[in-house]
Amino acid sequence: DAKTTQPNSMESNEEEPVHLPCNHSTISGTDYIHWYRQLPSQGPEYVIHGLTSNVNNRMASLAIAEDRKSSTLILHRATLRDAAVYYCILRRIQGAQKLVFGQGTRLTINP
Amino acid sequence: GAVVSQHPSRVICKSGTSVKIECRSLDFQATTMFWYRQFPKQSLMLMATSNEGSKATYEQGVEKDKFLINHASLTLSTLTVTSAHPEDSSFYICSARDGFGRTGELFFGEGSRLTVL
Repeated sequence: DAKTTQPNSMESNEEEPVHLPCNHSTISGTDYIHWYRQLPSQGPEYVIHGLTSNVNNRMASLAIAEDRKSSTLILHRATLRDAAVYYCILRRIQGAQKLVFGQGTRLTINP
Repeated sequence: GAVVSQHPSRVICKSGTSVKIECRSLDFQATTMFWYRQFPKQSLMLMATSNEGSKATYEQGVEKDKFLINHASLTLSTLTVTSAHPEDSSFYICSARDGFGRTGELFFGEGSRLTVL
């Protein structure tokens, strides 16, 4: 499975934008970029995913580099409820499509 | 949105007993389900992939006789921890893929916290 690299932790202030980076230099053409987040003592929650183009949904935006070797999850206005561990994961289009989690980024939001 | 439910959410058992955890997809048919375990302050570790009507595929290092997985229907997969020991205490999480609809996201259960005394 292609590997992703994320900072261990990040901190931001409430109501400010947050940019969470992810490097995936060994990504293949059949890998989607997925982002999930996990709040304490809960199962992970889907945030967003994309292949090549930037993506927006009600939770966040995903900016994908032109060479696809990195991506950035953007939370436009962080709230205290966004404090979680954010995981950037590559997922193959074909086959079992399993998700293999890395260590993720622990995001702290200051009031 | 789609919902995956796990039961029980918490279970405490004595060493040597077996514990069954259920994972249900409530509003979609899940041809594939995945089981994870998570130790405190660590990431999720994939244990196995469960396909409806066939044997589960286990990740390297996961004992299939220890962690029995059954995916008997399109909405239910079960994980049985056999002869549980304190080192099996962990947070077990399942996820499911909608086999007949969207292929983008996986849906996760709330997790089941197992404590073995």
